[in-house]
Amino acid sequence: KQEVTQIPAALSVPEGENLVLNCSFTDSAIYNLQWFRQDPGKGLTSLLLIQSSQREQTSGRLNASLDKSSGRSTLYIAASQPGDSATYLCAVSKTGANNLFFGTGTRLTVIP
Amino acid sequence: DVKVTQSSRYLVKRTGEKVFLECVQDMDHENMFWYRQDPGLGLRLIYFSYDVKMKEKGDIPEGYSVSREKKERFSLILESASTNQTSMYLCASSSPRGLAEPQHFGDGTRLSIL
Repeated sequence: KQEVTQIPAALSVPEGENLVLNCSFTDSAIYNLQWFRQDPGKGLTSLLLIQSSQREQTSGRLNASLDKSSGRSTLYIAASQPGDSATYLCAVSKTGANNLFFGTGTRLTVIP
Repeated sequence: DVKVTQSSRYLVKRTGEKVFLECVQDMDHENMFWYRQDPGLGLRLIYFSYDVKMKEKGDIPEGYSVSREKKERFSLILESASTNQTSMYLCASSSPRGLAEPQHFGDGTRLSIL
């Protein structure tokens, strides 16, 4: 069964710092990997989706990478802002199915 | 923009009650999903549906059922609510076209069973 791990569980950084969030998964047979953002008491917002054949995706200050063979993904956030404070979740979809397996998230706090 | 709407943000019910959680999406998506989110456990898939009247069990279907009578609506049913079903419930939808289709989530329903 696919297991997804995110480390660290929580992270605090000063405003303006660049940071990296980590995600690892046990089964490399994935269709794609998604990074989501969740604000307290809210649903999930999709940030980036990387297909299994891709190595990275970029959107604004966000860059996600995927190394399928080693079962790892990173989310790089450049020039962090207080508005980036949220929980970040990664999820993988397994080959042949539509459902996602989620990590437990990294709670990010950007200090002004 | 895709809109996934869950009928209630907060809901309080009693043990043994039959509970209905409703979800509607406006993008004609084929796939719809119900997850629950618990601290330390993350999101876990309860049921999903890839077409009207079709359903598939997820990882934790026990104590739940679903209904998909129309493409835009996916209902989660707790047949006889129990306290261990107190949780945040999240609905999502997606299109199955290709590999580059993200899941879109509603704002969630925080359900308390007393």
